[in-house]
Parts: sequence; structure tokens; C-alpha cells
Amino acid sequence: EADIYQTPRYLVIGTGKKITLECSQTMGHDKMYWYQQDPGMELHLIHYSYGVNSTEKGDLSSESTVSRIRTEHFPLTLESARPSHTSQYLCASSARFNEQFFGPGTRLTVL
Amino acid sequence: GENVEQHPSTLSVQEGDSAVIKCTYSDSASNYFPWYKQELGKRPQLIIDIRSNVGEKKDQRIAVTLNKTAKHFSLHITETQPEDSAVYFCAASRGQAGTALIFGKGTTLSVSS
Repeated sequence: EADIYQTPRYLVIGTGKKITLECSQTMGHDKMYWYQQDPGMELHLIHYSYGVNSTEKGDLSSESTVSRIRTEHFPLTLESARPSHTSQYLCASSARFNEQFFGPGTRLTVL
Repeated sequence: GENVEQHPSTLSVQEGDSAVIKCTYSDSASNYFPWYKQELGKRPQLIIDIRSNVGEKKDQRIAVTLNKTAKHFSLHITETQPEDSAVYFCAASRGQAGTALIFGKGTTLSVSS
């Protein structure tokens, strides 16, 4: 079944650790996005990509990096996690005309 | 920078009543406007969208209207049901279709029976 997958679903780590949140999609979409969202609150765009080897910064990008080596894979890396990074991270993808589909999210807690 | 403002932040209605959520956007190049519903603990789900060449779109109990001149668009839910209770987000494309979205801050809709 075509879907968007995120791993891990839950992660608890200590301050200063480097972490990578995985996102993969079997939707056949070219465009992928990362959002940060506190429960029930506004979605903040972190990074996005329009295709392989294409990445753009969003509104909250300064403390993270992404890569897009394969169409279906769009990992997000935090080089040094801090308590302020505690949040939910949602990956999304879209085809040509903007309709975005979201993954189930990763809930990150940084102690 | 560009932004999307959404009102109200909370909305409580009785079952069977109508609910209206309004959004305004600042980027005059935006031409795609989706609405998402997010239930507690779930991922956002697209419920309806509209493009700038259309003034209104309807899907059963849900409708969206767009006024490009005034840069605002609204979600209308008729005959509300308890299962409509959720957080609703409006969004606007960053520039023309094919670009990332700017989201509003969300509206928590509560439908009581």
C-alpha cells in the first residue's frame, strides 16, 4: 500500500546527541517536506525537497540538515540535540499539484 | 515574511449547527489553498482544497470559499457531528502551485451532542 513511513515513532535521547529521523515514501512523489509540530499546534516547515539532490531551507532549518539521495528517502539530522528540540516531527510528500500527504510522525524527547 | 492568519483559535458548536473558520494570507502569488483536519494523536489529513481559478468548492457537508482580491478563504462545515471535533488547519502555497505550504495556527473545533 502506498504510504509514508517514519522511524522511529518515539525517541528519547540526551542533550548533545546526534540523531537522524528517517522518512520514506512509496507514493511515487517527487516532493518531500519536514515539519515540526507541538501537539495540536502550528506546523513549522523545517526543510523541503523538490527532487533528488534538491533541498531547501524552511523557517526552522538552522539546527538541522537533510539529504535527498533517493527519491523515496528524505532523512532529517539534528547534529546536537537540545531540550528545545522536543517536539513531534512530521514528514510529508506531494506530487505535482501540492496535495501533501503526511506520515505518522516521530515524537522526540530530549532530556 | 509571508504568513497565514487563522480565526478563531477555538470554536464550540452544538451538533447540527454550522461552523465557519476563516483564514487570510499575505503572499499575492499563492494560488493553492488546502484545509487539513488533525484528530488527537493522528497525522493531518487533507479534507478539501481550492485553487485560485475557483471561487467555491463543495464536498458533501464541507465547502471552501476563496476571495483572491481580499486574500481570504473560509471553511464551512454544515450539519456538524461529534466526529467533526478536531484541529483544523488552513494553508496557502508559498508562491505558485508546486511549492511548499504556509500553515495557519489551527482552530480547535468542538462539537457537542
